[in-house]
Amino acid sequence: EIVLTQSPGTLSLSPGERATLSCRASQSIRSSYLAWYQQKPGQAPRLLIYGVSTRATGIPDRFSGSGSGTDFSLTISRLEPEDFAVYYCQQFGNSRFTFGQGTKLEIK
Amino acid sequence: EVQLVESGGALVQPGGSLRLSCVGSGFTFSSYEMNWVRQAPGKGLEWVSYINFWGTNIYYADSVKGRFTISRDNAKNSLYLQMNSLRAEDTAVYYCARDATSWSFGPWGQGTLVTVSS
Repeated sequence: EIVLTQSPGTLSLSPGERATLSCRASQSIRSSYLAWYQQKPGQAPRLLIYGVSTRATGIPDRFSGSGSGTDFSLTISRLEPEDFAVYYCQQFGNSRFTFGQGTKLEIK
Repeated sequence: EVQLVESGGALVQPGGSLRLSCVGSGFTFSSYEMNWVRQAPGKGLEWVSYINFWGTNIYYADSVKGRFTISRDNAKNSLYLQMNSLRAEDTAVYYCARDATSWSFGPWGQGTLVTVSS
């Protein structure tokens, strides 16, 4: 099973700043099956990015994804107040899906 | 508008059984693969099970294999999760999630809470 490790656990930033969240896989992720989700308290997760770098429908262009192999990142170019939430990465491989443990993005 | 609505969550004793349902609307249910994903209180997301369009290809997480059974009824636009031999560690909000592109999940239902406790 591929283990995803997200860092940092908590990221404290101010609105307008740039956020970079990391997701590292225990082995190479094939075929770009890497996605990112945003979850706010009391809500279901929302798909942000799939296929490493493609924004899902309706996702603002301040969100971008990149990476390959075992190292991936989600960047939010200029934080808006509504972006403070928990973010998860997720992969598919060997008939299994796994999620990272999450990064909490909090207001500084 | 695409909607997924889960139901069936409850308080159940260890060793008991429960069946969760998820009804989809606003899209052609039979054209999408479906998943169950759970989230224990205060914890992260854990994928539980996947089913393809016709129920002919199914995957399970190791933590539920042999105890949970995923199924679907395309005529009723419904996804199910039969959960047997429930354990305290199965306590979680269970979400159904439609397959999106490249083996990702979206959209998600609002979730249904399963509590396993005596």
